Amino acid sequence: GESVGLHLPTLSVQEGDNSIINCAYSNSASDYFIWYKQESGKGPQFIIDIRSNMDKRQGQRVTVLLNKTVKHLSLQIAATQPGDSAVYFCAENMWGGYSTLTFGKGTMLLVSP
Amino acid sequence: SQTIHQWPATLVQPVGSPLSLECTVEGTSNPNLYWYRQAAGRGLQLLFYSVGIGQISSEVPQNLSASRPQDRQFILSSKKLLLSDSGFYLCAWSTDRDYGYTFGSGTRLTVV
Repeated sequence: GESVGLHLPTLSVQEGDNSIINCAYSNSASDYFIWYKQESGKGPQFIIDIRSNMDKRQGQRVTVLLNKTVKHLSLQIAATQPGDSAVYFCAENMWGGYSTLTFGKGTMLLVSP
Repeated sequence: SQTIHQWPATLVQPVGSPLSLECTVEGTSNPNLYWYRQAAGRGLQLLFYSVGIGQISSEVPQNLSASRPQDRQFILSSKKLLLSDSGFYLCAWSTDRDYGYTFGSGTRLTVV
């Protein structure tokens, strides 16, 4: 089932703004988290991941923050561009036997020029 | 490098007709394979996963089945489609050393 949820279904921002997409997860045993970007009509694409032994990880224009105390994950996109418009999913996984990724419901990010 | 192929990209099928969607992975051996379904504007629902040839785990009982006849081939099937089977079907793969999945480009299925 889905144990990962998102606070905001739609986020509208202006080009050049910073965007923050939030995600709450319920399984405290999860130790690996991923953000995916899905453009319309395409499969999800990996953006960035983070393991539970980290609080923050940075990529190109993106930063993922993990707060294990409150089981919260966020994706920050700097200088948001129209090409960033897509649905963003968080996903969690855990070690220990075979497990599968559990996806959140997704947040639509709309970037206007 | 590894690649994943899914086909067809779009499919319109009448109610009661059979279904066969194919997914193949190149550039890796013994991948873990997955079928997901995504309803319009919704999240991803895991349907089946496979850790090896002939090994299929079903997550959600429904009108679909999956098979893995070869190491890098994963097939999603139905004997008789229902209207509720419409959706965007995604295949994905991973390795035991990689917690993340790589997705295919998806098949848009419309049952009419």
